[in-house]
Amino acid sequence: AQKVTQAQTEISVVEKEDVTLDCVYETRDTTYYLFWYKQPPSGELVFLIRRNSFDEQNEISGRYSWNFQKSTSSFNFTITASQVVDSAVYFCALSEGAYNTDKLIFGTGTRLQVFP
Amino acid sequence: DAGVIQSPRHEVTEMGQEVTLRCKPISGHNSLFWYRQTMMRGLELLIYFNNNVPIDDSGMPEDRFSAKMPNASFSTLKIQPSEPRDSAVYFCASSRLYSGGRGTGELFFGEGSRLTVL
Repeated sequence: AQKVTQAQTEISVVEKEDVTLDCVYETRDTTYYLFWYKQPPSGELVFLIRRNSFDEQNEISGRYSWNFQKSTSSFNFTITASQVVDSAVYFCALSEGAYNTDKLIFGTGTRLQVFP
Repeated sequence: DAGVIQSPRHEVTEMGQEVTLRCKPISGHNSLFWYRQTMMRGLELLIYFNNNVPIDDSGMPEDRFSAKMPNASFSTLKIQPSEPRDSAVYFCASSRLYSGGRGTGELFFGEGSRLTVL
């Protein structure tokens, strides 16, 4: 069965620190997708990134970067030089198969607090 | 552009009452999802629709829960009768399917409906 584990319940950092959010997944499928979503205090989840199981290249978008390692079934998210506006709950998610891409299974989330 | 619109934003009701949550997806999106978020269970997928047709309702807790999508621009999630354990934030999300019915996984969420059942 598919499962997403975010072992870090809450992380607190001071502004400008780098922070890494961990995500470990379980799946029996060879084709799957991994996602990160952000839930700011306003409540709605916001899509950040999607990776498919055949693309292990790391990705960087501004201060955000993602490290996908199939060998350890991990898809970690790093924020460089964190800012107060990064404070939110971050969810890692998984979907299996080539045609169920939208059926997401979410982890329990990591609450990130960035203090000034 | 308008995002996913949910109503009501907050609902407080008494056990046994009927609750109806409403969702208007983003225009042009043809998939719609209902999620429930609680501290204990996190984010759970309740049901999703493709082109107004329910595809997977395996996450619906029990017969007290029902969801409909009468047209492409409207969906409801109904709980009857409600119980205190139904207290949660209910999210609606929508997405666009590629031709051939494949999704992207990029879901657009509403701000949620916070339900409290006393």
